[in-house]
Amino acid sequence: AQTVTQSQPEMSVQEAETVTLSCTYDTSESDYYLFWYKQPPSRQMILVIRQEAYKQQNATENRFSVNFQKAAKSFSLKISDSQLGDAAMYFCAYKKISGGYNKLIFGAGTRLAVHP
Amino acid sequence: DTEVTQTPKHLVMGMTNKKSLKCEQHMGHRAMYWYKQKAKKPPELMFVYSYEKLSINESVPSRFSPECPNSSLLNLHLHALQPEDSALYLCASTGGRYNEQFFGPGTRLTVL
Repeated sequence: AQTVTQSQPEMSVQEAETVTLSCTYDTSESDYYLFWYKQPPSRQMILVIRQEAYKQQNATENRFSVNFQKAAKSFSLKISDSQLGDAAMYFCAYKKISGGYNKLIFGAGTRLAVHP
Repeated sequence: DTEVTQTPKHLVMGMTNKKSLKCEQHMGHRAMYWYKQKAKKPPELMFVYSYEKLSINESVPSRFSPECPNSSLLNLHLHALQPEDSALYLCASTGGRYNEQFFGPGTRLTVL
């Protein structure tokens, strides 16, 4: 069975600084998607960034980028130039591609605080 | 339209009440989901509808009854809930090139 582990329950960062959130996963599949979702106190889960496992290039979305290490099964999220609006719960999620319907497997989440 | 909407935003109900949660999307997605989320925890999958048919029930108690009247609409009927059912209920739909999930804002449910 696939599992997703986020080992940092809480993180904090100063505004304008850079922070990295860790995520590791376990799977025997070779092809899958990985996602980072953000859930601010307003509650809505928002997709931050996605990575296709067959792509070696790390995904980037503006200030958000990932460090995808397939062999190590690691998928960390780097937030550059942190802003107060980045404060939220961040969930790492895995989804395999093959074999019909595949549900999202979430990590336990990392709560990010941003200090002015 | 690239959003999933949910009503109501908040709901307070007694253990003998019957209420319904509503979810709507107009993105043409053919799979829709209900999740339950407790505070500081990840969402837990409850039900999946694919092409308007229930395809996944994650062993959810029968006091929760899902319904998919059409491809854009998903309901969750609630009856005889327990206080431990108090949670945020999220709806999602799946689509797009990466088959990713788009979430609604959720309904905060309190059972007294």
